[in-house]
Amino acid sequence: DVQLVESGGGLVQTGGSLRLSCTASGFSFSIYWMHWVRQGPGKGLVWVSRINGDGNIISYAESVKGRFTVSRDNAKSTLYLQMSSLRAEDTAVYYCARSDTRDYWGQGTLVTVSS
Amino acid sequence: QSALTQPPSASGSPGQSVAISCTGTSRDVGGYNYVSWYQQHPGKAPKLMIYEVTKRPSGVPDRFSGSKSGNTASLTVSGLQAEDEADYYCSSYAGSNSYVFGTGTQVTVL
Repeated sequence: DVQLVESGGGLVQTGGSLRLSCTASGFSFSIYWMHWVRQGPGKGLVWVSRINGDGNIISYAESVKGRFTVSRDNAKSTLYLQMSSLRAEDTAVYYCARSDTRDYWGQGTLVTVSS
Repeated sequence: QSALTQPPSASGSPGQSVAISCTGTSRDVGGYNYVSWYQQHPGKAPKLMIYEVTKRPSGVPDRFSGSKSGNTASLTVSGLQAEDEADYYCSSYAGSNSYVFGTGTQVTVL
């Protein structure tokens, strides 16, 4: 079965950094585009970032460009999101999702940015 | 990139149909056949219901269907059932390797 498990969320101060991980299993991780999507408390889904299987085609939403870095380790079947210069508005549940259709999603990890 | 516009809420009685619209621009919904729809129950991760405008993943009931006309995509749920009560989000490719989601619609089964 396809599984995606996010980890690394938590409470961080404004301006701080955090690295999220998404560990995949049940499919050939290295051939799939992967996405990060976030959802603020009581709010809608927002696309954050996308990376191809080789890790050399990357894109970001304007709201996180220059502050967030997506990467992957195909040997470990793990996707990462390095977040820095965090702001209160980055508070959200962060989901990883498989493929451009986002056919499978993890359960999400909560990031809270507070002063 | 602005969010795609969806009605905040929609409702119907069991057995009826409900349609949810998703309005964008020629730079997203109207420009590509890469519109997908997601169902999200409270506290749960989203679930893919429709992709590439009209395609249904295996396991999704055929009561769910998608369409597109110009800059507006639609999701129709026929034969509403209690378990269809959830939030629904559309999403579209928006060019330059970017994507955008809709504002979300809360569907209530009366």
